[in-house]
Formats: sequence, structure tokens, C-alpha cells
Amino acid sequence: EPEVTQTPSHQVTQMGQEVILRCVPISNHLYFYWYRQILGQKVEFLVSFYNNEISEKSEIFDDQFSVERPDGSNFTLKIRSTKLEDSAMYFCASTWEVYQPQHFGDGTRLSIL
Amino acid sequence: AQSVSQHNHHVILSEAASLELGCNYSYGGTVNLFWYVQYPGQHLQLLLKYFSGDPLVKGIKGFEAEFIKSKFSFNLRKPSVQWSDTAEYFCAVKYSRLNSGGYQKVTFGIGTKLQVIP
Repeated sequence: EPEVTQTPSHQVTQMGQEVILRCVPISNHLYFYWYRQILGQKVEFLVSFYNNEISEKSEIFDDQFSVERPDGSNFTLKIRSTKLEDSAMYFCASTWEVYQPQHFGDGTRLSIL
Repeated sequence: AQSVSQHNHHVILSEAASLELGCNYSYGGTVNLFWYVQYPGQHLQLLLKYFSGDPLVKGIKGFEAEFIKSKFSFNLRKPSVQWSDTAEYFCAVKYSRLNSGGYQKVTFGIGTKLQVIP
């Protein structure tokens, strides 16, 4: 069964540095999402992306965050200047039709020092 | 604000015991409902979903859930758990956003850690 893949599995970064989290959604999917889960808290929606533009974003997704689909396969989340509170597990998800369930990747654990 | 509540944060059961995990959501409009499971070291996997029709839905691995609209609930059940069911279970809701073209983000509950003792 095709899967959503995320790299790296664990990223350690100094506070203030830029970080890019990478995702390869399932190949025929059209809708892409990023979520995050701070340790001990619930999974939170960050942003959804369709047709090369953001379709919805949460209040967490401020100017420090950006998403991009640079080619036909990758979907990236960039944090420009990381803060300690950005430490979390980041999940990428995709679906082929907005009414269908989202398929999740394994997540990238981001640790900000 | 739209929210999803899971009442049991940590459940410990013996093998063969019956399981029921509670889930309530806050929105009165049209919703899609899901249960996801996360086994240790693995990604979130869809267990079952409700979109419309029969409010009793059956998922993988013997799980089922019942949508009760009047109670805004979507409880997960399994008559007899196994050690391999040890995992974290997340209730999730997609809310209708008619002015944005349909359903978009998924709102998750905080999760319930299930530990099954052999």
C-alpha cells in the first residue's frame, strides 16, 4: 500500500535557525496537510494546501511558517527562525479527495535547542 | 470553538476484556468522524470512519464505533481486546466548512493510551 514518507525522522536544530521538513505524499493525492503534536498534547492542524496554494491555515501557522510544493512529488514545511516552542512531532498528510480520510506519514520529531 | 473531547486518557485492560473509548465533539453541523490508531513507533493509521448512513460503523481489527448525533458522540468499541491492541487511539472530526468549498482540516482529540496486559 502506498505511504506518505517524511524525512528526516528526527531533526535537531539550534534556536533561531531555519529548518525544512520534507514530505512525499502519495502520488495521486491532491490535498496536502501539515499537523504537529507537542509532547503530551493533541495533534493540531497547521495548514492545508491544494492546487499550489494554501487553502486553510491555523493561528499557529504564522509568518515564520511556509509551505511549498517545489516539484511534482515533494511537499515541504519551512520554519524560518525556530523557537523552543516549535519542538514537536510534525506530521504530513495527504488525500486524493477532500471528503476522504487523510493518510499520515510517520512524522518528523523536531527538537530545538 | 470546535473541539473534540476524549474522556479516558489512559486505559489499562486485561486481554479479552471489552473496550469502550469515549469521544464527543462540539459542533452541531455536518461532520465526518474518524478514529485513528498509532501503534508504538508507527504512524497514524485510520481505524474506521463515518460519513453518512448506518451510524454503527465497523473498522479493521474488530473495532466498531457508533455515531449518536443527539449526544454528539462517536465512541469506539471492541468486544475483546488483545495485547496487540496496545496503542494510542485518536478520535478526529472533520467539520463542514461550506464557505470554503467543503471539508478541510481534521480536529483531533488528545488521544487515549490503551495498555492491554497479557
